[in-house]
Amino acid sequence: DAGVTQSPTHLIKTRGQQVTLRCSPISGHKSVSWYQQVLGQGPQFIFQYYEKEERGRGNFPDRFSARQFPNYSSELNVNALLLGDSALYLCASSILWVNTEAFFGQGTRLTVV
Amino acid sequence: GIQVEQSPPDLILQEGANSTLRCNFSDSVNNLQWFHQNPWGQLINLFYIPSGTKQNGRLSATTVATERYSLLYISSSQTTDSGVYFCAVPHSYGNEKLTFGTGTRLTIIP
Repeated sequence: DAGVTQSPTHLIKTRGQQVTLRCSPISGHKSVSWYQQVLGQGPQFIFQYYEKEERGRGNFPDRFSARQFPNYSSELNVNALLLGDSALYLCASSILWVNTEAFFGQGTRLTVV
Repeated sequence: GIQVEQSPPDLILQEGANSTLRCNFSDSVNNLQWFHQNPWGQLINLFYIPSGTKQNGRLSATTVATERYSLLYISSSQTTDSGVYFCAVPHSYGNEKLTFGTGTRLTIIP
């Protein structure tokens, strides 16, 4: 079975641009979460979606938004990119939204120049 | 929210050595996960261990939920064990938004 897949793997954007990152969860998993990991730190929670509804939002500005589609895949959008948005963006999927193991994709490495 | 601390922050060992990594958390949790982040950034699941002890080959983990800590043991280290090890717990009890520790960077020297 395929694991969590993310695209693209690498991305370079200019300040002020917008970016869309994509995630396909493990088959049968209905929950998708997004995390940001800056160099030298642990991942920080951004969003969680379950059954196409937002279940949680971390401490990130409104420039960050996400959605989940009927097939449970998800997109993370970031508007008006700042240099500080450069990071590894990780997607995690789980069967349910509570009390279950989370599995992570390989990440999208975003560089803002 | 919950606080998660890992120790030591860095660990350098010879191939074949054993190691113990520690994760302390500030509140009750209903699950805990250990991950290994490889040099390419992928978080690899090691253990899902809310309590008790689990073993998988050369790795084992123990979580003592009542005392709010978990330990990851790596025996007979190999160079492929190098990387950063994270523990992660729910942001609050019953909430699956994970809070990660600061990680332990393990370097295995041949």
